[in-house]
Amino acid sequence: EVQLLESGGGLVQPGGSLRVSCTGSGFTFSNYAMNWVRQTPGKGLEWVSTIGDTSATTYYANSVMGRFTISRDNSRNTLYLQMNSLRADDTAIYYCARRPIVGGGWADLDVWGQGTLVTVSS
Amino acid sequence: EIVLTQSPATLSLSPGERATLSCRASQSVRSALAWFQQKPGLAPRLLIYLASNRATGIPTRFSGSGSGTDFTLTISSLEPEDFAVYYCQQRANWPITFGGGTKVEI
Repeated sequence: EVQLLESGGGLVQPGGSLRVSCTGSGFTFSNYAMNWVRQTPGKGLEWVSTIGDTSATTYYANSVMGRFTISRDNSRNTLYLQMNSLRADDTAIYYCARRPIVGGGWADLDVWGQGTLVTVSS
Repeated sequence: EIVLTQSPATLSLSPGERATLSCRASQSVRSALAWFQQKPGLAPRLLIYLASNRATGIPTRFSGSGSGTDFTLTISSLEPEDFAVYYCQQRANWPITFGGGTKVEI
């Protein structure tokens, strides 16, 4: 079964740091671009970051640029998001999702994890 | 940044009825638009990719159409399990953006 499983969420104080992880199984992890998307409780979806299959390319939303770092370890089938200088408005469920590589480009977010909740509060 | 505007915000319908959801982009996204379904407590699920292609395992009652700036998701005959929130999403330009969602309720 194709699966993505996030972990590492929790409560952190404003200005603090947290690293969330996402482990893939049931597919060849290194063949996919990987992404983080977040959702504020009760609100809509916001794309956060994307990393290519070889880590050569990364993209970030303006709201997290310079504070968050996406990375991956293909030998461990794991995606990471290092979050620094956290703010209250970073509070959200963080989902990881994969994007297949099709025709030299990246297709749509076809498999998502169940999400991990990050709460930034004092 | 491309803004996606979904309408209506809420659609109140009964099982068996037809649902028509709209997504309008602030500039052309060509056909690089997807639709997702999200039920309470669950992650979004890909329904439609490249504007009109059903994802694996998606029932034929779901269909997508449009290109450029105007897109439609149609559910031909609502089943009880279709009551959920639906989001459109574009990947034509960075950043990837999502619409605000349409809630389909009974």
